[in-house]
Amino acid sequence: KNQVEQSPQSLIILEGKNCTLQCNYTVSPFSNLRWYKQDTGRGPVSLTIMTFSENTKSNGRYTATLDADTKQSSLHITASQLSDSASYICVVSGGDYKLSFGAGTTVTVRA
Amino acid sequence: ETGVTQSPTHLIKTRGQQVTLRCSSQSGHNTVSWYQQALGQGPQFIFQYYREEENGRGNFPPRFSGLQFPNYSSELNVNALELDDSALYLCASSTPGASTGELFFGEGSRLTVL
Repeated sequence: KNQVEQSPQSLIILEGKNCTLQCNYTVSPFSNLRWYKQDTGRGPVSLTIMTFSENTKSNGRYTATLDADTKQSSLHITASQLSDSASYICVVSGGDYKLSFGAGTTVTVRA
Repeated sequence: ETGVTQSPTHLIKTRGQQVTLRCSSQSGHNTVSWYQQALGQGPQFIFQYYREEENGRGNFPPRFSGLQFPNYSSELNVNALELDDSALYLCASSTPGASTGELFFGEGSRLTVL
Protein backbone atom coordinates (compact mmCIF):
# COMPACT_ATOMS: atom_id res chain seq x y z
CA LYS A 1 0.00 0.00 0.00
CA ASN A 2 1.34 3.44 -0.95
CA GLN A 3 1.89 5.53 2.13
CA VAL A 4 3.10 9.00 2.97
CA GLU A 5 4.19 9.66 6.54
CA GLN A 6 4.85 13.15 7.85
CA SER A 7 6.59 14.29 10.99
CA PRO A 8 6.23 15.94 13.34
CA GLN A 9 2.44 15.96 13.57
CA SER A 10 2.61 19.53 14.86
CA LEU A 11 5.15 22.08 15.99
CA ILE A 12 5.28 25.54 17.50
CA ILE A 13 8.03 28.00 16.58
CA LEU A 14 8.79 31.62 17.37
CA GLU A 15 8.48 34.22 14.66
CA GLY A 16 11.76 34.63 12.81
CA LYS A 17 13.01 31.11 13.56
CA ASN A 18 13.54 28.32 11.03
CA CYS A 19 11.95 24.88 10.99
CA THR A 20 12.10 21.67 8.97
CA LEU A 21 9.27 19.27 8.22
CA GLN A 22 9.82 15.67 7.16
CA CYS A 23 8.05 13.40 4.68
CA ASN A 24 8.78 9.69 4.14
CA TYR A 25 7.00 7.74 1.45
CA THR A 26 6.66 4.22 0.11
CA VAL A 27 4.92 5.14 -3.15
CA SER A 28 6.25 3.18 -6.09
CA PRO A 29 6.64 3.86 -8.93
CA PHE A 30 7.44 7.48 -8.24
CA SER A 31 6.54 10.39 -10.50
CA ASN A 32 6.74 13.54 -8.40
CA LEU A 33 6.48 14.90 -4.88
CA ARG A 34 4.63 18.05 -3.92
CA TRP A 35 4.33 20.22 -0.86
CA TYR A 36 1.13 22.13 -0.21
CA LYS A 37 0.24 24.76 2.37
CA GLN A 38 -3.29 24.61 3.74
CA ASP A 39 -4.72 27.34 5.93
CA THR A 40 -7.45 26.21 8.33
CA GLY A 41 -10.71 25.57 6.47
CA ARG A 42 -9.21 26.54 3.11
CA GLY A 43 -8.04 24.63 0.07
CA PRO A 44 -4.37 23.58 -0.26
CA VAL A 45 -2.03 25.83 -2.20
CA SER A 46 0.97 24.44 -4.05
CA LEU A 47 4.44 25.35 -2.77
CA THR A 48 6.74 23.08 -4.79
CA ILE A 49 6.67 20.14 -7.20
CA MET A 50 9.76 17.97 -7.60
CA THR A 51 10.44 15.14 -10.02
CA PHE A 52 12.86 12.25 -9.57
CA SER A 53 15.83 14.21 -10.91
CA GLU A 54 15.39 17.25 -8.69
CA ASN A 55 17.08 17.43 -5.29
CA THR A 56 16.11 20.92 -4.20
CA LYS A 57 13.48 23.44 -5.11
CA SER A 58 12.76 26.80 -3.51
CA ASN A 59 9.73 29.05 -3.39
CA GLY A 60 10.59 32.20 -1.48
CA ARG A 61 11.30 31.25 2.13
CA TYR A 62 10.25 27.63 1.49
CA THR A 63 12.89 25.13 0.36
CA ALA A 64 12.05 21.52 -0.38
CA THR A 65 14.57 18.71 -0.72
CA LEU A 66 14.12 15.25 -2.17
CA ASP A 67 16.16 12.08 -1.78
CA ALA A 68 14.51 9.60 -4.13
CA ASP A 69 16.90 6.84 -3.05
CA THR A 70 15.83 6.93 0.58
CA LYS A 71 12.31 8.12 -0.32
CA GLN A 72 12.51 11.11 1.94
CA SER A 73 11.69 14.77 1.51
CA SER A 74 11.90 17.80 3.74
CA LEU A 75 10.41 21.27 3.69
CA HIS A 76 12.47 24.01 5.31
CA ILE A 77 10.85 27.28 6.33
CA THR A 78 13.29 30.15 6.79
CA ALA A 79 12.68 33.19 8.98
CA SER A 80 9.12 32.15 9.82
CA GLN A 81 6.29 34.65 9.80
CA LEU A 82 2.92 34.59 11.52
CA SER A 83 1.31 33.92 8.13
CA ASP A 84 3.23 30.64 7.91
CA SER A 85 0.87 29.18 10.51
CA ALA A 86 -0.88 26.44 8.56
CA SER A 87 -0.90 22.73 7.78
CA TYR A 88 1.80 21.55 5.36
CA ILE A 89 0.91 18.50 3.32
CA CYS A 90 3.28 16.23 1.43
CA VAL A 91 1.77 14.59 -1.66
CA VAL A 92 3.35 11.87 -3.76
CA SER A 93 2.33 10.85 -7.26
CA GLY A 94 2.97 7.36 -8.57
CA GLY A 95 2.41 8.41 -12.16
CA ASP A 96 -1.21 7.32 -12.40
CA TYR A 97 -4.25 9.42 -11.62
CA LYS A 98 -3.98 8.82 -7.89
CA LEU A 99 -2.13 11.01 -5.45
CA SER A 100 -1.09 9.84 -2.00
CA PHE A 101 -1.47 12.52 0.66
CA GLY A 102 0.22 12.73 4.02
CA ALA A 103 -1.80 13.74 7.07
CA GLY A 104 0.08 17.02 7.26
CA THR A 105 2.20 18.87 9.81
CA THR A 106 0.50 21.73 11.63
CA VAL A 107 2.85 24.66 12.12
CA THR A 108 2.03 27.40 14.62
CA VAL A 109 4.18 30.52 14.56
CA ARG A 110 4.08 32.58 17.76
CA ALA A 111 5.06 36.24 18.05
CA GLU B 1 -6.87 32.88 -5.74
CA THR B 2 -6.76 29.71 -7.86
CA GLY B 3 -9.77 30.39 -10.07
CA VAL B 4 -11.46 27.20 -8.83
CA THR B 5 -14.79 27.88 -7.15
CA GLN B 6 -16.89 25.50 -5.10
CA SER B 7 -20.44 25.72 -3.82
CA PRO B 8 -21.95 25.64 -1.34
CA THR B 9 -19.24 26.55 1.16
CA HIS B 10 -21.08 24.99 4.09
CA LEU B 11 -24.08 22.73 4.40
CA ILE B 12 -25.78 20.52 6.94
CA LYS B 13 -27.64 17.32 6.06
CA THR B 14 -29.12 14.42 7.97
CA ARG B 15 -28.35 10.74 7.64
CA GLY B 16 -29.89 9.13 4.58
CA GLN B 17 -30.20 12.35 2.61
CA GLN B 18 -28.48 13.11 -0.65
CA VAL B 19 -26.13 16.00 -1.43
CA THR B 20 -24.72 17.62 -4.57
CA LEU B 21 -21.56 19.69 -4.47
CA ARG B 22 -20.42 21.83 -7.37
CA CYS B 23 -17.06 22.91 -8.74
CA SER B 24 -16.06 25.31 -11.49
CA SER B 25 -12.59 24.59 -12.78
CA GLN B 26 -9.93 27.09 -13.70
CA SER B 27 -10.16 28.36 -17.25
CA GLY B 28 -8.44 26.02 -19.69
CA HIS B 29 -8.32 23.07 -17.29
CA ASN B 30 -10.03 19.94 -18.60
CA THR B 31 -9.43 17.68 -15.60
CA VAL B 32 -11.21 17.84 -12.26
CA SER B 33 -10.50 15.65 -9.25
CA TRP B 34 -12.41 15.41 -5.98
CA TYR B 35 -11.09 14.76 -2.48
CA GLN B 36 -12.56 14.11 0.94
CA GLN B 37 -10.69 15.57 3.91
CA ALA B 38 -11.77 14.55 7.39
CA LEU B 39 -10.84 16.80 10.27
CA GLY B 40 -7.13 16.54 11.07
CA GLN B 41 -6.42 14.26 8.11
CA GLY B 42 -4.95 14.66 4.67
CA PRO B 43 -7.26 14.66 1.63
CA GLN B 44 -8.34 11.28 0.23
CA PHE B 45 -8.79 10.90 -3.52
CA ILE B 46 -12.40 10.18 -4.54
CA PHE B 47 -12.32 10.29 -8.35
CA GLN B 48 -11.13 12.23 -11.35
CA TYR B 49 -12.94 13.39 -14.50
CA TYR B 50 -11.30 14.13 -17.83
CA ARG B 51 -13.36 15.47 -20.72
CA GLU B 52 -16.64 14.39 -19.11
CA GLU B 53 -15.50 10.83 -18.39
CA GLU B 54 -14.48 9.34 -15.04
CA ASN B 55 -10.91 8.11 -15.57
CA GLY B 56 -9.82 7.23 -12.06
CA ARG B 57 -11.40 6.35 -8.74
CA GLY B 58 -10.21 5.90 -5.17
CA ASN B 59 -11.60 3.58 -2.50
CA PHE B 60 -15.04 5.12 -2.19
CA PRO B 61 -18.38 3.27 -2.51
CA PRO B 62 -20.69 3.72 -5.50
CA ARG B 63 -22.94 6.09 -3.56
CA PHE B 64 -20.22 8.66 -4.33
CA SER B 65 -20.76 9.63 -7.94
CA GLY B 66 -19.94 12.54 -10.17
CA LEU B 67 -20.40 14.36 -13.41
CA GLN B 68 -18.35 16.64 -15.57
CA PHE B 69 -20.00 19.03 -18.00
CA PRO B 70 -18.87 20.28 -21.43
CA ASN B 71 -17.54 23.48 -19.81
CA TYR B 72 -15.44 21.20 -17.51
CA SER B 73 -17.31 22.16 -14.36
CA SER B 74 -18.15 19.20 -12.16
CA GLU B 75 -20.53 17.83 -9.55
CA LEU B 76 -20.01 15.40 -6.71
CA ASN B 77 -23.11 13.54 -5.58
CA VAL B 78 -23.32 11.53 -2.39
CA ASN B 79 -26.38 9.37 -1.73
CA ALA B 80 -27.58 7.81 1.52
CA LEU B 81 -25.41 10.08 3.65
CA GLU B 82 -23.68 8.60 6.68
CA LEU B 83 -22.25 10.37 9.71
CA ASP B 84 -18.72 9.57 8.54
CA ASP B 85 -19.32 11.53 5.35
CA SER B 86 -18.90 14.70 7.40
CA ALA B 87 -15.78 16.31 5.94
CA LEU B 88 -14.34 19.08 3.81
CA TYR B 89 -14.81 18.19 0.15
CA LEU B 90 -12.20 19.65 -2.13
CA CYS B 91 -12.10 19.80 -5.86
CA ALA B 92 -9.01 20.54 -7.89
CA SER B 93 -8.56 21.33 -11.54
CA SER B 94 -5.50 20.62 -13.60
CA THR B 95 -4.17 19.90 -17.03
CA PRO B 96 -3.31 17.36 -18.32
CA GLY B 97 -4.00 15.19 -15.24
CA ALA B 98 -3.73 15.19 -11.47
CA SER B 99 -0.66 12.98 -11.34
CA THR B 100 1.56 15.16 -13.51
CA GLY B 101 -0.03 18.59 -13.81
CA GLU B 102 -0.11 21.12 -11.03
CA LEU B 103 -3.32 20.98 -9.01
CA PHE B 104 -5.32 24.09 -8.23
CA PHE B 105 -7.70 23.55 -5.35
CA GLY B 106 -10.94 25.29 -4.53
CA GLU B 107 -11.74 26.44 -1.00
CA GLY B 108 -13.87 23.40 -0.34
CA SER B 109 -17.40 22.56 0.74
CA ARG B 110 -17.79 21.74 4.43
CA LEU B 111 -20.43 19.02 4.83
CA THR B 112 -21.85 18.16 8.23
CA VAL B 113 -24.08 15.08 8.50
CA LEU B 114 -26.25 14.87 11.61
